Amino acid sequence: AQSVTQLGSHVSVSEGALVLLRCNYSSSVPPYLFWYVQYPNQGLQLLLKYTSAATLVKGINGFEAEFKKSETSFHLTKPSAHMSDAAEYFCAVSEVLKGGATNKLIFGTGTLLAVQP
Amino acid sequence: SQTIHQWPATLVQPVGSPLSLECTVEGTSNPNLYWYRQAAGRGLQLLFYSVGIGQISSEVPQNLSASRPQDRQFILSSKKLLLSDSGFYLCAWTRGLVEEQYFGPGTRLTVT
Repeated sequence: AQSVTQLGSHVSVSEGALVLLRCNYSSSVPPYLFWYVQYPNQGLQLLLKYTSAATLVKGINGFEAEFKKSETSFHLTKPSAHMSDAAEYFCAVSEVLKGGATNKLIFGTGTLLAVQP
Repeated sequence: SQTIHQWPATLVQPVGSPLSLECTVEGTSNPNLYWYRQAAGRGLQLLFYSVGIGQISSEVPQNLSASRPQDRQFILSSKKLLLSDSGFYLCAWTRGLVEEQYFGPGTRLTVT
């Protein structure tokens, strides 16, 4: 079974500083990986996805992530944090469900990002 | 464009009462549909998924059930709620195997 580990349940950065949120995956097949963001009491919004094309993936709101097979990692970064980036971030890996007709997302436990002024 | 709706947005129910949460998708046909639950301090857990009308698969045994009476409608139900059913329920849809999932705004359920 596939799994995702997010190191650091809480990360705090200063406004304008680099954001680095860590995600490591475990998969027996080439993975499809995703980063989602969740603002309080809202659904999840897709930031970016990796589906075996370019290893450096650019997403919305200035975020990007790099797929590193040798490290089984898919860390999320943003060069300069903004106050509006404060939210919870989830890394996920796609797993095909029995029957092969669809997939599910296996999520990490999330990282809560705080941005200090 | 496609949109996904969930209602109600919040719900407070006593233990032992029934439950019905509704999810509808607009702007697409024959989507794969999902119900996830997000409990406090934990990640998201897949509860049910559906690849077509009347086709429901359960990922974990529990006090809940799901139905898909129409192509773009997905309903989560319970006959008798437990305290442990409290959480944030998210509906999602996708077009295919390698596509990302799109999530609804969620329903906050508190069982008292």
